[in-house]
Amino acid sequence: NAGVTQTPKFRILKIGQSMTLQCAQDMNHNYMYWYRQDPGMGLKLIYYSVGAGITDKGEVPNGYNVSRSTTEDFPLRLELAAPSQTSVYFCASSLDPGLGASTDTQYFGPGTRLTVL
Amino acid sequence: AQRVTQPEKLLSVFKGAPVELKCNYSYSGSPELFWYVQYSRQRLQLLLRHISRESIKGFTADLNKGETSFHLKKPFAQEEDSAMYYCALSGRDSGAGSYQLTFGKGTKLSVIP
Repeated sequence: NAGVTQTPKFRILKIGQSMTLQCAQDMNHNYMYWYRQDPGMGLKLIYYSVGAGITDKGEVPNGYNVSRSTTEDFPLRLELAAPSQTSVYFCASSLDPGLGASTDTQYFGPGTRLTVL
Repeated sequence: AQRVTQPEKLLSVFKGAPVELKCNYSYSGSPELFWYVQYSRQRLQLLLRHISRESIKGFTADLNKGETSFHLKKPFAQEEDSAMYYCALSGRDSGAGSYQLTFGKGTKLSVIP
């Protein structure tokens, strides 16, 4: 198993450009997540998905869009890049939580470092 | 709203000394707490969760609901313990349909040989 993979590893964008951060997992997890991590800060949830065709906003969704057409893939789209979106982006996935549990272990990708100039 | 506080950005200890990484949380319901770790050049990974009540790599953490804390402890630090440690809380945020993880800002543990 490759686990959770993310591409690209690094990217520099100009203000106003768009791009898609790719995320894939091969563990047949229904739950997938996108986080951003700013310097000296914790991870903040951007969007999450509980299954194919179902997505929902997290804490900081503005400026981003997601789609979940398959169980394996959960791309994150930036339409008009802004300097405030300079960050490290992490994708994660998890199984459905078991009965009585709120969440299962999240497995993280290696991250994408994005700089917007 | 749920919140996780890790008061120390950096913690330096000598090899063999005890380690305690502090984590305090704010949540009105019944929380589930986790510690995640990120070693140099590796991805973030789960270290332990409070419901498992287990010891991983010599680390333990006890949920103290009275003090709203979930401190991570190890009696004798090793050089390989040097990493970033994140405390996380799972709770159903207001208006959200499912549980979400809220992370603290992290503590960098540096074990001095």
